Amino acid sequence: ELKVEQNPLFLSMQEGKNYTIYCNYSTTSDRLYWYRQDPGKSLESLFVLLSNGAVKQEGRLMASLDTKARLSTLHITAAVHDLSATYFCAPHPSGTYKYIFGTGTRLKVLA
Amino acid sequence: DTAVSQTPKYLVTQMGNDKSIKCEQNLGHDTMYWYKQDSKKFLKIMFSYNNKELIINETVPNRFSPKSPDKAHLNLHINSLELGDSAVYFCASSLGTSETQYFGPGTRLLVL
Repeated sequence: ELKVEQNPLFLSMQEGKNYTIYCNYSTTSDRLYWYRQDPGKSLESLFVLLSNGAVKQEGRLMASLDTKARLSTLHITAAVHDLSATYFCAPHPSGTYKYIFGTGTRLKVLA
Repeated sequence: DTAVSQTPKYLVTQMGNDKSIKCEQNLGHDTMYWYKQDSKKFLKIMFSYNNKELIINETVPNRFSPKSPDKAHLNLHINSLELGDSAVYFCASSLGTSETQYFGPGTRLLVL
């Protein structure tokens, strides 16, 4: 059974600072997704990473994938309050139909 | 022009009751999912249908029964509701079985 661990689980940071969220997974996966969830809201897709070494960037967020290490990162640059949300990674294990969601990282950006 | 919609948005009911949640997508997707999100925000897949065929059937109580009348609709029926069923249930859809999922707004179920 695929296990997905994110760390940290909770992150409180000052505006303007940089930080990285880590997503470790235990089984070979052919792609990995990052989603954002605002409090009381639904999930919104941020990135899909399709191959080893893939890097995607959107605004202050940049995601990368290392399939050999089974690790994905979500890097936040110069955080702003609007980035406060819960971020989930979701690997898609090879040969299955499933998406396995990580534990989530609750990010709070303080003004 | 909501992409993935769910009804109802809120559901408060007594233990032992039977309830249904409905999901519809207008994205032309062929795959739909039900997820359960608990109070700690853990998101767990329950069921998935691809072209009306059940492809994921996780270990959930058999009180939960999905039904997909067509590719655009996926319903979830829950019998004999228990306190532990209280959660947010999300429907999602995708084009294909490994593509980006689009989530509905969620149904907040509270069992008293």
